[in-house]
Amino acid sequence: GAGVSQSPSNKVTEKGKDVELRCDPISGHTALYWYRQSLGQGLEFLIYFQGNSAPDKSGLPSDRFSAERTGGSVSTLTIQRTQQEDSAVYLCASSRRPGQGIYEQYFGPGTRLTVT
Amino acid sequence: AQKITQTQPGMFVQEKEAVTLDCTYDTSDQSYGLFWYKQPSSGEMIFLIYQGSYDEQNATEGRYSLNFQKARKSANLVISASQLGDSAMYFCAMRVNNFNKFYFGSGTKLNVKP
Repeated sequence: GAGVSQSPSNKVTEKGKDVELRCDPISGHTALYWYRQSLGQGLEFLIYFQGNSAPDKSGLPSDRFSAERTGGSVSTLTIQRTQQEDSAVYLCASSRRPGQGIYEQYFGPGTRLTVT
Repeated sequence: AQKITQTQPGMFVQEKEAVTLDCTYDTSDQSYGLFWYKQPSSGEMIFLIYQGSYDEQNATEGRYSLNFQKARKSANLVISASQLGDSAMYFCAMRVNNFNKFYFGSGTKLNVKP
């Protein structure tokens, strides 16, 4: 079946502009996560959605970052007034449902954001 | 606080030999899961293996095994008979079941030498 998809795969933007990154999770997956990965670094948690519950936004680095998930499926991560330090790969992941057991995350290919 | 620590930024191993990638974790929760992911240079994250905190046996998946020592809070990944295609970044991650958030380590870059 189809995996997690993300668009665009690459985005180059000028400092100060807003960008929107899209994630389409695997059908039926109720949990959706956004991460940021700077070059050669680990994954930095940004935000987590679970079904219709309020999202866990504890990882968002500033109020310039926001995310929505419409209809429990597609998610959009928005970065306003982009800064050069926002340059990174933004990864989206989904999983079946929370709780015990494996419920591993399936990752998308990422969006490489470059702020010039 | 929840934390994952990978102390080996880079590792080299000879092809066909075994290698152990270290991972220690910190949590006060009793119910959690430990995961290893592989990230080749192409960038995709590939799930390798899982160990639940209540699992009594170490997890194995083909050439991958997880050396789980609960009292020491370690979850080392063992790759047997290394192959050139194993060259990649490897991330250890933890999910605390009450919170469902994943915590990732900083990764270990493995290079397999022919």
